[in-house]
Amino acid sequence: RKEVEQDPGPFNVPEGATVAFNCTYSNSASQSFFWYRQDCRKEPKLLMSVYSSGNEDGRFTAQLNRASQYISLLIRDSKLSDSATYLCVATGFQKLVFGTGTRLLVSP
Amino acid sequence: NAGVTQTPKFRVLKTGQSMTLLCAQDMNHEYMYWYRQDPGMGLRLIHYSVGEGTTAKGEVPDGYNVSRLKKQNFLLGLESAAPSQTSVYFCASSRGQETQYFGPGTRLLVL
Repeated sequence: RKEVEQDPGPFNVPEGATVAFNCTYSNSASQSFFWYRQDCRKEPKLLMSVYSSGNEDGRFTAQLNRASQYISLLIRDSKLSDSATYLCVATGFQKLVFGTGTRLLVSP
Repeated sequence: NAGVTQTPKFRVLKTGQSMTLLCAQDMNHEYMYWYRQDPGMGLRLIHYSVGEGTTAKGEVPDGYNVSRLKKQNFLLGLESAAPSQTSVYFCASSRGQETQYFGPGTRLLVL
């Protein structure tokens, strides 16, 4: 079983739609969680950290459920520029553990 | 600040050749990492370092060696390249066990 699991997608949505991605992690000792965004043929970049109380950054909302070991990312009012792969990340021993990513395609 | 830089950006090798990938960061980060990324496999950690002079194995270390002689540099070596090492290699750095900043990647093709 992978330490961090995500649905690979792709999720095909029209502009303006709301889309949600889920992720599960297996290491109950993980302390910190993140969502990274990766554009095609580019490096991953931090999108947002995920806090226990949930957090919002503009159109993006991240949630953490420690009891279920589950992380989510909600994107509202999708833009064409949101098309990318979204990587779920949890901390491990001295390192970050990355999921394989969920691909999002936003169409006009 | 340049952040994290990687050289070269692209390289073609023949089976059995050796090469070194260089990663440099100017953020005074303690931690540095080397990943490879293949289609459908996501990012896989090759080796990492938690400080100057230290290195540790990651998930897929076989066929690679690393060195961290200076805090700002992390070198990844391939002693005898194999076609299975064709991949995109990313270096990353972080202050601690937190946000990692990635370099732009090195695309390696082994024929």
